[in-house]
Amino acid sequence: GESVGLHLPTLSVQEGDNSIINCAYSNSASDYFIWYKQESGKGPQFIIDIRSNMDKRQGQRVTVLLNKTVKHLSLQIAATQPGDSAVYFCAETYNQAGTALIFGKGTTLSVSS
Amino acid sequence: DAGVIQSPRHEVTEMGQEVTLRCKPISGHDYLFWYRQTMMRGLELLIYFNNNVPIDDSGMPEDRFSAKMPNASFSTLKIQPSEPRDSAVYFCASSLGTGYVNEQFFGPGTRLTVL
Repeated sequence: GESVGLHLPTLSVQEGDNSIINCAYSNSASDYFIWYKQESGKGPQFIIDIRSNMDKRQGQRVTVLLNKTVKHLSLQIAATQPGDSAVYFCAETYNQAGTALIFGKGTTLSVSS
Repeated sequence: DAGVIQSPRHEVTEMGQEVTLRCKPISGHDYLFWYRQTMMRGLELLIYFNNNVPIDDSGMPEDRFSAKMPNASFSTLKIQPSEPRDSAVYFCASSLGTGYVNEQFFGPGTRLTVL
């Protein structure tokens, strides 16, 4: 079925470390993936996206990796900062228009200084 | 840009009452989405509109839920009658769709508590 999940519900890191948040998806037909960050009391905020014709995309301090063979997505955050503490969701499209997203349950990232 | 605006931010009501949640999307955006977030089920898409027309409402849980978008700058999500299991945070999001819809901008959400 169409579902997106995350391997770990929580991740604790020290400030300055690199963080890796993982996501597994089950729909091999999904062709667009997005990472969102949600801070407490706020709505999700777009971080970075990737299409299925790519295996890596970089942003500012963030990198998304896509492995279609094993249907795995990861978000790498370099030099993690306390402000990165939040819940991170991966999401995939479930229709050809790419408009509607299925979100995973989320991973809570805690950064200690 | 004020972003997506939702009201009210918090709503407490009693079972059986009608609840109306409101959303003002970002000006110029032609897609509008309603999501529900709970601890158990995570973030779920309820319905989305394109140019004020409902496109996919397959996520609407049951007939008690209805959504409208009378114009490009306003949408409502109504629950009638409300039940305790409807308690959740409801998010509205909008985006500018060109081919793949990329960045959905979320509002701050409405926290609904049904007693």
